[in-house]
Amino acid sequence: GEDVEQSLFLSVREGDSSVINCTYTDSSSTYLYWYKQEPGAGLQLLTYIFSNMDMKQDQRLTVLLNKKDKHLSLRIADTQTGDSAIYFCAEIYMTTDSWGKLQFGAGTQVVVTP
Amino acid sequence: GAVVSQHPSWVICKSGTSVKIECRSLDFQATTMFWYRQFPKQSLMLMATSNEGSKATYEQGVEKDKFLINHASLTLSTLTVTSAHPEDSSFYICSAILAGDSTDTQYFGPGTRLTVL
Repeated sequence: GEDVEQSLFLSVREGDSSVINCTYTDSSSTYLYWYKQEPGAGLQLLTYIFSNMDMKQDQRLTVLLNKKDKHLSLRIADTQTGDSAIYFCAEIYMTTDSWGKLQFGAGTQVVVTP
Repeated sequence: GAVVSQHPSWVICKSGTSVKIECRSLDFQATTMFWYRQFPKQSLMLMATSNEGSKATYEQGVEKDKFLINHASLTLSTLTVTSAHPEDSSFYICSAILAGDSTDTQYFGPGTRLTVL
């Protein structure tokens, strides 16, 4: 797999926008994902973007993709306390097997303060 | 849709015993399932890929005889940790791909916390 990098921590005030950044290295990735993990829980798929898209919006979530710089970001509008969690960026990479595998970043801990 | 469950949610066992963890896709068929391990405050580490009706594919460094995987049906994969030891204590998470989904999007289960005494 290839490397996926994320900043480790983000603190944001309730009501503000959060922006989580991610860089990846595999230019052949077809899809890039954002997952959310709350304490003691599994991963919840938030959204994904196809590599030929620049932007995808889904309610409070906006994903921006800069394929040239291999940079992906997730913007959460009007951040709420329930958005406090770890957010993982992941790229899919193909192997000799007939399915894609996910390469995860280390995760960004987002803390929302009142 | 695309709900994945795991059972049990947590388990405590004695050193030397074996533990079985189930991963089920509740509302879809999954030809491919994945098993991950996650240590505290770390990212997910892929252990193996499970395909229905065939042998699992293990990642480098993962002991096949230690972590037995069986994908008996299109909705169920099991991970058995054999002769568990304290160093096997971890959070185990499975994921599944919808059969026929060209995006290969993985849907994750809620995880199983294993503690070996």
